[in-house]
Amino acid sequence: EPEVTQTPSHQVTQMGQEVILRCVPISNHLYFYWYRQILGQKVEFLVSFYNNEISEKSEIFDDQFSVERPDGSNFTLKIRSTKLEDSAMYFCASSPRGWGVETQYFGPGTRLLVL
Amino acid sequence: AQTVTQSQPEMSVQEAETVTLSCTYDTSESDYYLFWYKQPPSRQMILVIRQEAYKQQNATENRFSVNFQKAAKSFSLKISDSQLGDAAMYFCAYLTMGSNYQLIWGAGTKLIIKP
Repeated sequence: EPEVTQTPSHQVTQMGQEVILRCVPISNHLYFYWYRQILGQKVEFLVSFYNNEISEKSEIFDDQFSVERPDGSNFTLKIRSTKLEDSAMYFCASSPRGWGVETQYFGPGTRLLVL
Repeated sequence: AQTVTQSQPEMSVQEAETVTLSCTYDTSESDYYLFWYKQPPSRQMILVIRQEAYKQQNATENRFSVNFQKAAKSFSLKISDSQLGDAAMYFCAYLTMGSNYQLIWGAGTKLIIKP
């Protein structure tokens, strides 16, 4: 069964450094998402992406964040200058166009720790 | 704005018994989807079951079923014949429809299975 994959599984970085989190969505999916989960808190929506542009973004998704689909398979989340409060689990998800668009399939997550 | 509430931070059940996890939500929309996701200690987010708001029939997936009460805005998850592998955090999520698809999450319920 096709899966969403994410790399790396864990990332430790120093405050102020740039990080890029990578995702490979399911191959025939056209909608892509990033969510984050700070330890002990609710999962929060960051951004949705369709047709090579951002469809929707939350208040969390400020100028420090950006997303990109650099090729036909990868979907990346970049944090330009990490803060301590960016430490969280970051989930990528994807859904197909048309029938089934409402169901998002999640990757295993990247655990980001900012020191 | 839509909200999702899970009032049970933690539930426990004896192996092979049945347990029900509660979820309520608030929305002014008439068309939407509801989901239960499971997050085991690995922290991967796994889809358990989904419910379309326009369907009166409750969704069922093997040992998992929901009790969807649209007027009451209630969406509970019943797990029958609980197994040790069911131990996890369970999240209720609401999908906003329209041009963008965004999941809004409850705080989660930690399910403990007693052998």
